[in-house]
Amino acid sequence: AQRVTQPEKLLSVFKGAPVELKCNYSYSGSPELFWYVQYSRQRLQLLLRHISRESIKGFTADLNKGETSFHLKKPFAQEEDSAMYYCAPHYNTDKLIFGTGTRLQVFP
Amino acid sequence: NAGVTQTPKFRVLKTGQSMTLLCAQDMNHEYMYWYRQDPGMGLRLIHYSVGEGTTAKGEVPDGYNVSRLKKQNFLLGLESAAPSQTSVYFCASRGPLETQYFGPGTRLLVL
Repeated sequence: AQRVTQPEKLLSVFKGAPVELKCNYSYSGSPELFWYVQYSRQRLQLLLRHISRESIKGFTADLNKGETSFHLKKPFAQEEDSAMYYCAPHYNTDKLIFGTGTRLQVFP
Repeated sequence: NAGVTQTPKFRVLKTGQSMTLLCAQDMNHEYMYWYRQDPGMGLRLIHYSVGEGTTAKGEVPDGYNVSRLKKQNFLLGLESAAPSQTSVYFCASRGPLETQYFGPGTRLLVL
């Protein structure tokens, strides 16, 4: 079965601390991997996709095929990073599979 | 471009009432999706469509119906609302590189 796991429901850090939001996906071929973000009272939006190998707002995500993980990282968290983050693998089907999400709280 | 829009923004229903949520996109996307978002459950796919005139079931389709009569619109219907359908509903369309574009959401409360 195609599954995605985000083990942390809530992650709280202080401003300036490093952040790592975990994502593990079930092995089924080679999915494309995405992170979506939802800021308070806003719609979900794409944060980054693995295929682009880009860094958005200081976030990066490395694909580890051996561990089937796609953890989202940022070296120095900012208060404006507080949001809900969803990992979403795409398994070459018509739909994305979203994780249950991790709420990141960054305290001043 | 307005992107993806949803109507209404908020609605209160009594158990047993029916309603239709409207999603519209102006990006000429083929694929459209309806999700519900519940605390601790993440986003769960209700129904989706791969093109005008087509619909398919997602993860949690029971109690909902959909129609895609026009490419730009995707309707989600609740025939007989239940309290378990209290949720936030998001519509999305899929663009290039599998990127999904979301609407602002509809908050539904079923009493």
